Amino acid sequence: GDSVTQMEGPVTLSEEAFLTINCTYTATGYPSLFWYVQYPGEGLQLLLKATKADDKGSNKGFEATYRKETTSFHLEKGSVQVSDSAVYFCALSAERNDYKLSFGAGTTVTVRA
Amino acid sequence: DVKVTQSSRYLVKRTGEKVFLECVQDMDHENMFWYRQDPGLGLRLIYFSYDVKMKEKGDIPEGYSVSREKKERFSLILESASTNQTSMYLCASRGDRGHNIEQYFGPGTRLTVT
Repeated sequence: GDSVTQMEGPVTLSEEAFLTINCTYTATGYPSLFWYVQYPGEGLQLLLKATKADDKGSNKGFEATYRKETTSFHLEKGSVQVSDSAVYFCALSAERNDYKLSFGAGTTVTVRA
Repeated sequence: DVKVTQSSRYLVKRTGEKVFLECVQDMDHENMFWYRQDPGLGLRLIYFSYDVKMKEKGDIPEGYSVSREKKERFSLILESASTNQTSMYLCASRGDRGHNIEQYFGPGTRLTVT
């Protein structure tokens, strides 16, 4: 079945450090890929998405590139801030089951001042 | 802006009680979803609805039921709450335009069953 595997946390960084969260997926065809973020005490909100191979999604300084050859969608940010402390979820929406999002386990990121 | 609201942020219930979690969206979305979120497991789909009075089981429907009498409202029902249903419950909604359309989430209800 469709599934997402993302790196386990927690991840603790200092401000201005580089952040990478690895995400790989298993799905047939060409799924759409998403990164959602959950700030403390809030629901999930879409951070970025990519709908076809080689697409790059970007938002708020975060980027992720849809790599079909490695079935990956790694999230990166060049210089994190304390306000980036959150839980990050990688998710996919498969072509044939487009109503459903399959989520990774989530990665907790804490940024220290 | 899409707004998805949930009736309670925190709820404490006793084992065996019937529990209702309510979700309302204001964007006329066709599709609505209920997930539970547990540490290390991510979000798991309980039920979803693609139209009024229509519902489909997700990955973990056991112990839950749902109701969608109006387009904007989707209710999750725990017929007889158990301690293993202590969790964060998230509602989401989505329009009906293909598989790259994002889901919009409510703030969540943290349910504790004692």
